[in-house]
Amino acid sequence: QVQLQESGPGLVKPSGTLSLTCAVSGGSISSNNWWSWVRQPPGKGLEWIGEMYHSGLTKYNPSLESRVTISVDKSQNQFSLNLSSVTAADTAVYYCAATSWYRIDYWGQGTLVTVSS
Amino acid sequence: QSALTQPPSASGSPGQSVTISCTGTSSDVGGYNYVSWYQQHPGKAPKVLIYEVSKRPSGVPDRFSGSKSGNTASLTVSGLQAEDEADYYCSSYAGALYVFGTGTKVTVL
Repeated sequence: QVQLQESGPGLVKPSGTLSLTCAVSGGSISSNNWWSWVRQPPGKGLEWIGEMYHSGLTKYNPSLESRVTISVDKSQNQFSLNLSSVTAADTAVYYCAATSWYRIDYWGQGTLVTVSS
Repeated sequence: QSALTQPPSASGSPGQSVTISCTGTSSDVGGYNYVSWYQQHPGKAPKVLIYEVSKRPSGVPDRFSGSKSGNTASLTVSGLQAEDEADYYCSSYAGALYVFGTGTKVTVL
């Protein structure tokens, strides 16, 4: 049973970079999963951000692609999200997740990131 | 890529059935049999109920069923129970990305 845990700052200043890490336990980051990020603004719906395979292949939401980087650290069994040039519109609960066969099987508990000065 | 369209709300009494629609385009729902449905209780992470249009992961009650016709997918919850009160989201593969639905709040009357 894969378990995921997000960590990172809960407050980011406008124009700054949002950086989150997701620790993977109960399984290897090199397993047959795509490592994903999904966000949910307060009171709103889910938005897919992107995903990465351990080989380095990445897929990003075109609406965020110019600002997003997802990376994998095999030595630490974790993966990360960087979102640059943030604004208040990027305030959301950010979930890390594991996707296999076109469905998200495992989710982290989510972490709220607020963009404010 | 626009969000898939779901009704904002749906409701039913215990024991009744409720069906939620999820409308997309030929580039997402209509183009792939990779539609998933997720249930989300307040303050919790989503949980997958249905994948590949109509398949249920182990542990998901058979009260939950999915189908698809053209560009519209549907989730039916039969025999509504109090614990089914939650938000429901559809999701579709859209060729190198995924799109979520707008979400439907299901109320058990």
